[in-house]
Amino acid sequence: SQTIHQWPATLVQPVGSPLSLECTVEGTSNPNLYWYRQAAGRGLQLLFYSVGIGQISSEVPQNLSASRPQDRQFILSSKKLLLSDSGFYLCASAGQNYGYTFGSGTRLTVV
Amino acid sequence: DQQVKQNSPSLSVQEGRISILNCDYTNSMFDYFLWYKKYPAEGPTFLISISSIKDKNEDGRFTVFLNKSAKHLSLHIVPSQPGDSAVYFCAASPGNTPLVFGKGTRLSVIA
Repeated sequence: SQTIHQWPATLVQPVGSPLSLECTVEGTSNPNLYWYRQAAGRGLQLLFYSVGIGQISSEVPQNLSASRPQDRQFILSSKKLLLSDSGFYLCASAGQNYGYTFGSGTRLTVV
Repeated sequence: DQQVKQNSPSLSVQEGRISILNCDYTNSMFDYFLWYKKYPAEGPTFLISISSIKDKNEDGRFTVFLNKSAKHLSLHIVPSQPGDSAVYFCAASPGNTPLVFGKGTRLSVIA
């Protein structure tokens, strides 16, 4: 079975500072990977997904970016955080039968 | 345009009674549906799923019903337990593309 490692668990960053959230996957190779954000009252919003190294699809316009430098590594970044970037960020990997395995998430608070 | 809708943000149920969580969808291309359970500060975990070729799937206390003509599915939890208190997300898959999630329903099971 897959395991998703996400860190850090919580992060408080000032407006305008950079961001880097890392996600690594164990137990599978060449997975489809996803970044979701859960903001208050918004449910789970898909931000980016990747079907392979260097292949990134963006779902919403924003000041965030994603990269996949290795098969089982997915990184979410920002050059300058906004207050509206606050939320709970989740990395996920596609498994069998359309299901996803999620990481434990990162609570980002931009102040 | 919200393709997966969970119109009840919250639901309170007494311990031992049935919990019914509802989900509506608009995209007729969805062919697989899933329910995820999420505790605070944790990633969602897979609960149960159903293919569009079925109308019912049961797993212990959890049953998912699918009504394709109404584009509606529901999750039944019987009997409800305090540990079931969580946010439940309905998700749908239109094939080999990212899952689409609803906004979630917060279930509170009262002892």
